[in-house]
Amino acid sequence: GDSVTQMEGPVTLSEEAFLTINCTYTATGYPSLFWYVQYPGEGLQLLLKATKADDKGSNKGFEATYRKETTSFHLEKGSVQVSDSAVYFCALSVSQGGSEKLVFGKGTKLTVNP
Amino acid sequence: DGGITQSPKYLFRKEGQNVTLSCEQNLNHDAMYWYRQDPGQGLRLIYYSQIVNDFQKGDIAEGYSVSREKKESFPLTVTSAQKNPTAFYLCATQPTVSSYEQYFGPGTRLTVT
Repeated sequence: GDSVTQMEGPVTLSEEAFLTINCTYTATGYPSLFWYVQYPGEGLQLLLKATKADDKGSNKGFEATYRKETTSFHLEKGSVQVSDSAVYFCALSVSQGGSEKLVFGKGTKLTVNP
Repeated sequence: DGGITQSPKYLFRKEGQNVTLSCEQNLNHDAMYWYRQDPGQGLRLIYYSQIVNDFQKGDIAEGYSVSREKKESFPLTVTSAQKNPTAFYLCATQPTVSSYEQYFGPGTRLTVT
């Protein structure tokens, strides 16, 4: 079935370090791909998305490129801040019975130290 | 002020009691979802509803029930049949059933002792 695999955390970085969180997927068809972020004690917020191969999603300095050949959607940021500390979820959309549903990875916790 | 409201933020119950979690939205979105989040498990889909008076089971529906009597509201009842009810519960909406994006409420943390 459709699934998402994220690198296991936790990930701990110093401020201004480079961030990569790996995400690969298995899907039939051509899913849309998403990164969601969850700050402590809150719900999820959409961070960025890509709807077709080679699309690059970007927001708040984060980027991810939809790579069909490697079935990947890795999240990157050139210089992280303390405020980026959160849990990041990779997700894909699947069509089921005429509707779109999301399948989530298990999440990667990021801690950025000053 | 548009958005998704989940109340209360924290909920405590004794084992054997049913408890209902509220989810209200004023975004005029068609579809609504309930997820359960456990540490290290990601999000798992409990129930979803695409239109009023209709809903479908997700991956872990056992021990839960829902209703969708109004477009704005999708309450989740955690019954005494749910073996491990302590978790963080998230409600989400989707503009239409064919939309890609979901929007999440702030969540309710349920603790059952």
